[in-house]
Amino acid sequence: QSALTQPASVSGSPGQSITISCTGTSSDVGGYNYVSWYQQHPGKAPKLMIYEVSNRPSGVPDRFSGSKSGNTASLTISGLQAEDEADYYCSSYTSSSTLEFGGGTKLTVL
Amino acid sequence: QVQLQESGPGLVKPSQTLSLTCTVSGGSISSGDYYWSWIRQPPGKGLEWIGYIYYSGSTYYNPSLKSRVTISVDTSKNQFSLKLSSVTAADTAVYYCAREASIVGATGLLGLGGMDVWGQGTTVTVSS
Repeated sequence: QSALTQPASVSGSPGQSITISCTGTSSDVGGYNYVSWYQQHPGKAPKLMIYEVSNRPSGVPDRFSGSKSGNTASLTISGLQAEDEADYYCSSYTSSSTLEFGGGTKLTVL
Repeated sequence: QVQLQESGPGLVKPSQTLSLTCTVSGGSISSGDYYWSWIRQPPGKGLEWIGYIYYSGSTYYNPSLKSRVTISVDTSKNQFSLKLSSVTAADTAVYYCAREASIVGATGLLGLGGMDVWGQGTTVTVSS
């Protein structure tokens, strides 16, 4: 069982928007603005999509956005595209100076 | 740009020690802006953080693996390494190394800015 809770799967049609949640506690997500999101295609290494809750690395489309409210962080993908179909993982810094991942969410583009 | 490459045996016998090395190229492991991480992913499952190390040798480990894990750094070779002892079949996974942007203060690690560079991953199977 992962420390951070994500839905196992989400789906959406091309052009639509979807949101993936990542729920933790006040000792991780709720206590710090150090939440990251990763995209992983099959057989590939994860790719950083969002860092520090809402910042996008260079090269990541602005269709990807992040936010946080209380102990829950969220990744929103707007204008869904076929290539967005992948697994998505959140991670958070913790009060023990360690890192936790969520269990992952499989995004299906219908 | 910075690249990471994992290396080590692909097959380890049960009860033995798994040893992997991550070689950093295109940049210095001694940069004070990063912690250097190990992450693994069992077949068909999610990511699991194993631990990370600063160039000074400061380490943090996943509490669930702490008793079996050692991460070390060799700044002269621009490498960091993972040792996982007493392995079982449950340790079979793809092992990744990654660079984690870090906020470091006088008291130590204060925050994390995301793993922006990853190795390609190496598959380790635990089997007799």
